[in-house]
Amino acid sequence: KNQVEQSPQSLIILEGKNCTLQCNYTVSPFSNLRWYKQDTGRGPVSLTIMTFSENTKSNGRYTATLDADTKQSSLHITASQLSDSASYICVVIGQAGTALIFGKGTTLSVSS
Amino acid sequence: NAGVTQTPKFRVLKTGQSMTLLCAQDMNHEYMYWYRQDPGMGLRLIHYSVGEGTTAKGEVPDGYNVSRLKKQNFLLGLESAAPSQTSVYFCASSYSGQGWDTQYFGPGTRLTVL
Repeated sequence: KNQVEQSPQSLIILEGKNCTLQCNYTVSPFSNLRWYKQDTGRGPVSLTIMTFSENTKSNGRYTATLDADTKQSSLHITASQLSDSASYICVVIGQAGTALIFGKGTTLSVSS
Repeated sequence: NAGVTQTPKFRVLKTGQSMTLLCAQDMNHEYMYWYRQDPGMGLRLIHYSVGEGTTAKGEVPDGYNVSRLKKQNFLLGLESAAPSQTSVYFCASSYSGQGWDTQYFGPGTRLTVL
């Protein structure tokens, strides 16, 4: 069964600290992996997308990595800010190109 | 450019009542989607549309109907609401139906069925 598992479920960090969120998947065949940021009460907004051949992609203070062999991805946030408090959702796209499998998300809280 | 908008933002229904959620996009996207988001679960696709006049079932279509009479609008209907349909509903749109294409989401509608 195609699944996307994210860990941790929730995380609290101090402003200015770094953190890493994990995404493991069993989707096969696989074509792309996307990370979304969802602020409370808002819809998800895309942060990055990677193909199976990409290992890393950055978007400002957000850096996503992908290991297609171990079926793992991570989202690293550098020098966290209060505005980073949100839910981060990993989405894996099957090779057919249309099947999206959403993870349950990791809720990040950044405190001052 | 408003992107994707949803109406209403909040709604409370009694069991058995009906309602329609409206989604509008101004990006001239062909593809539109309805998702539901429940606590402890990932977003789940209810129905989608690949163009004006077309609709298709997603992962959890039971209890919902949709219509796409105009390219910019996608309506989600609940004919007889049930408490199990209490959820946050998100509409999204994309230029193509390819999984790598970015889906742009609306702000959501929080629906409570009593």
